[in-house]
Amino acid sequence: KNEVEQSPQNLTAQEGEFITINCSYSVGISALHWLQQHPGGGIVSLFMLSSGKKKHGRLIATINIQEKHSSLHITASHPRDSAVYICAVPGGGADGLTFGKGTHLIIQP
Amino acid sequence: DADVTQTPRNRITKTGKRIMLECSQTKGHDRMYWYRQDPGLGLRLIYYSFDVKDINKGEISDGYSVSRQAQAKFSLSLESAIPNQTALYFCATSGGRGPYTFGSGTRLTVV
Repeated sequence: KNEVEQSPQNLTAQEGEFITINCSYSVGISALHWLQQHPGGGIVSLFMLSSGKKKHGRLIATINIQEKHSSLHITASHPRDSAVYICAVPGGGADGLTFGKGTHLIIQP
Repeated sequence: DADVTQTPRNRITKTGKRIMLECSQTKGHDRMYWYRQDPGLGLRLIYYSFDVKDINKGEISDGYSVSRQAQAKFSLSLESAIPNQTALYFCATSGGRGPYTFGSGTRLTVV
């Protein structure tokens, strides 16, 4: 089974700061997912990537397949970015995803 | 309408009761999943289905059962609910190699 580690677990920052969330996994994968979960519970898919970098608005996701590591960056952070960010990879054996425990991000005005 | 709809959104039930959580999707995806989320543990896979005739157990299937009534509908049942099944439950769909789409979740409390 793939093991997924995220860091940090909790992050509080000021509005406008550059944010980095890290994800490491133990077994080679075809693609990695970054998800966002706002208070109230709903989960939204932000990125699915298998190599290089993807950008959507102020969010940037990168992945290094050789090092089994991915990062999620938020530029010019805003209080509305406050959420839990979850990294997920295909699970070993059964289908479905194996999830990290999430990074709880708070952006203060 | 949401792509993946879960009902109910919130439910409080008593120990020993049978309860069904329902999920329907308009994505046209074949693959559907039920996950459970507990604080500090992340999401864990309960059951998944590749089509109406294909049901598979996930990591934590004990105490749960599922039914795939149609391509668009995937229900999760707790035959006899117990307090440690109190959690946030998510249904999700996937087209195979694409991103996943999640429902809004069902918050279940077993008292």
